[in-house]
Amino acid sequence: DAMVIQNPRYQVTQFGKPVTLSCSQTLNHNVMYWYQQKSSQAPKLLFHYYDKDFNNEADTPDNFQSRRPNTSFCFLDIRSPGLGDAAMYLCATSRGASGSSSYEQYFGPGTRLTVT
Amino acid sequence: SQQGEEDPQALSIQEGENATMNCSYKTSINNLQWYRQNSGRGLVHLILIRSNEREKHSGRLRVTLDTSKKSSSLLITASRAADTASYFCATVRYGNKLVFGAGTILRVKS
Repeated sequence: DAMVIQNPRYQVTQFGKPVTLSCSQTLNHNVMYWYQQKSSQAPKLLFHYYDKDFNNEADTPDNFQSRRPNTSFCFLDIRSPGLGDAAMYLCATSRGASGSSSYEQYFGPGTRLTVT
Repeated sequence: SQQGEEDPQALSIQEGENATMNCSYKTSINNLQWYRQNSGRGLVHLILIRSNEREKHSGRLRVTLDTSKKSSSLLITASRAADTASYFCATVRYGNKLVFGAGTILRVKS
């Protein structure tokens, strides 16, 4: 089945130790997104790629970076995790919007990040 | 930033009853989407309603959109225990960028 896969599902890292979360998709969608979701809150968009074009949200901390080496994979790098970065990180994909059309997003199961 | 508010924040009903959740938003939109999230999992798309549509159905789901009031509602009929989840509305102004509401936690008791 076509899907969005996130690895690992649970990640524990130490304060200040860089960590990378990965996402892959078999849907061949040209848009990939990373969201941060803290406990009992709504998902918050960090950035997205439209093909290779990177789009950063204005309030995404510099501590967060992303890479998309090819259509199928996207990575979230947290350079120096703080305690406030503990959250669920959700990857999603969609077809690219054109004109007035936009499409639903397909989400992975998420990676729960704990910072100790 | 969060687009709008959802109410109620939490809803507890008996199996078989209907559940209604409301969503309000602040700016003009291209479309509005509803997603479900089971505890600790990713989100699942339920339904998309465009700004020129007023009502849409999908199985036991009915969504309405009132652009003059900047509000939408999601009705789940004949609820089941498996419907227990958080439900989020999300608006799209342009492109594919979703802005989520705060969500409603639905608990269906069997």
